[in-house]
Amino acid sequence: DAGVTQSPTHLIKTRGQHVTLRCSPISGHKSVSWYQQVLGQGPQFIFQYYEKEERGRGNFPDRFSARQFPNYSSELNVNALLLGDSALYLCASSSLRSSYEQYFGPGTRLTVT
Amino acid sequence: DQQVKQNSPSLSVQEGRISILNCDYTNSMFDYFLWYKKYPAEGPTFLISISSIKDKNEDGRFTVFLNKSAKHLSLHIVPSQPGDSAVYFCAALSMDSSYKLIFGSGTRLLVRP
Repeated sequence: DAGVTQSPTHLIKTRGQHVTLRCSPISGHKSVSWYQQVLGQGPQFIFQYYEKEERGRGNFPDRFSARQFPNYSSELNVNALLLGDSALYLCASSSLRSSYEQYFGPGTRLTVT
Repeated sequence: DQQVKQNSPSLSVQEGRISILNCDYTNSMFDYFLWYKKYPAEGPTFLISISSIKDKNEDGRFTVFLNKSAKHLSLHIVPSQPGDSAVYFCAALSMDSSYKLIFGSGTRLLVRP
């Protein structure tokens, strides 16, 4: 069974641009969460979606948005990129049965110049 | 306000000996605690979890102990192997808080051959 997949793996953008990151959950998982990890810190929660509905949002500005599609895949969008948005963006999926156990993808490394 | 703390940024252990990684938390409402292992350029890999109603959970070489009165948990790895060298993150979750994981800052474990 394939794990959580994310695309692209690496991305370089310029300040002010917009970026879209994509995630496909483990088959059968209906919940997707997004986290941001900067160097030297643990991942920080951005969003969680379950059955296409937003279930939670972390302390991130409105420049960050996300959505979940009928096939449970998800997109994270970031507008008006800042240098401080440079980070590893992680997607995690979980099943209804074990909703607390979240399984992470390899991440997308975003560099903003 | 760091709700989950890993106060040791690094730990070095001889192969075959026990590795003990520690984690402290401040929120008594957490329902689950999880440990993840992370290699460079990969997403975090789920290792083991424990419910707040238990004080021990074991899975092979990995055991997690929870001391609720001290708001402290620890991960024991016995015996330690060189392949265990990675960054270990402690995370906590409250099920009435959108299932978001709150991570510590990580401990880098080096297992010396």
